[in-house]
Amino acid sequence: GENVEQHPSTLSVQEGDSAVIKCTYSDSASNYFPWYKQELGKRPQLIIDIRSNVGEKKDQRIAVTLNKTAKHFSLHITETQPEDSAVYFCATGGGNKLTFGTGTQLKVEL
Amino acid sequence: KAGVTQTPRYLIKTRGQQVTLSCSPISGHRSVSWYQQTPGQGLQFLFEYFSETQRNKGNFPGRFSGRQFSNSRSEMNVSTLELGDSALYLCASSLGSGHANTEAFFGQGTRLTVV
Repeated sequence: GENVEQHPSTLSVQEGDSAVIKCTYSDSASNYFPWYKQELGKRPQLIIDIRSNVGEKKDQRIAVTLNKTAKHFSLHITETQPEDSAVYFCATGGGNKLTFGTGTQLKVEL
Repeated sequence: KAGVTQTPRYLIKTRGQQVTLSCSPISGHRSVSWYQQTPGQGLQFLFEYFSETQRNKGNFPGRFSGRQFSNSRSEMNVSTLELGDSALYLCASSLGSGHANTEAFFGQGTRLTVV
């Protein structure tokens, strides 16, 4: 089955800096790559997603890049703010089944 | 538009008992997926239902089962509970048209504790 590796497991940045989280996947049939943010005690929330026919997508301070040949995709957060502190999960999908990475605990320090 | 609603929010059960969790998807969404979230294993896919049919299944034992009703509401059942079943159970709803992935929105989850 699909395997998704996510790095780093923890990431600490200063407010205003950029944060990058990387994921690699194994199933070349995967065609959907969402990113979720989960704050403590809350539900995972979709923050951005990308499909296999697109190489990059941006939404304000958040961007995702996809390299299908290398089977990896990345989340980029610019100008980080304290409210960006949370656990971020990458996932891959096909047929409404998502396989998640192990999560990255992002801490934005003042 | 109401979001995904899961009930109950918290549940404490004894080993050997069974439990039923409920999920009401966003109006108009026909696909409901269930996930188990634990600190050790992360988010793991249990199964997905679309139009009352199980369309995908993860690698969980047969003690975990589910169903979907004609109004798209879904239930999952865990029988003969084990301590290791303690977890946050999340459901996600999506339009689910065809077999292409569409955006999935999660409920708040049901926190199950098995003692």
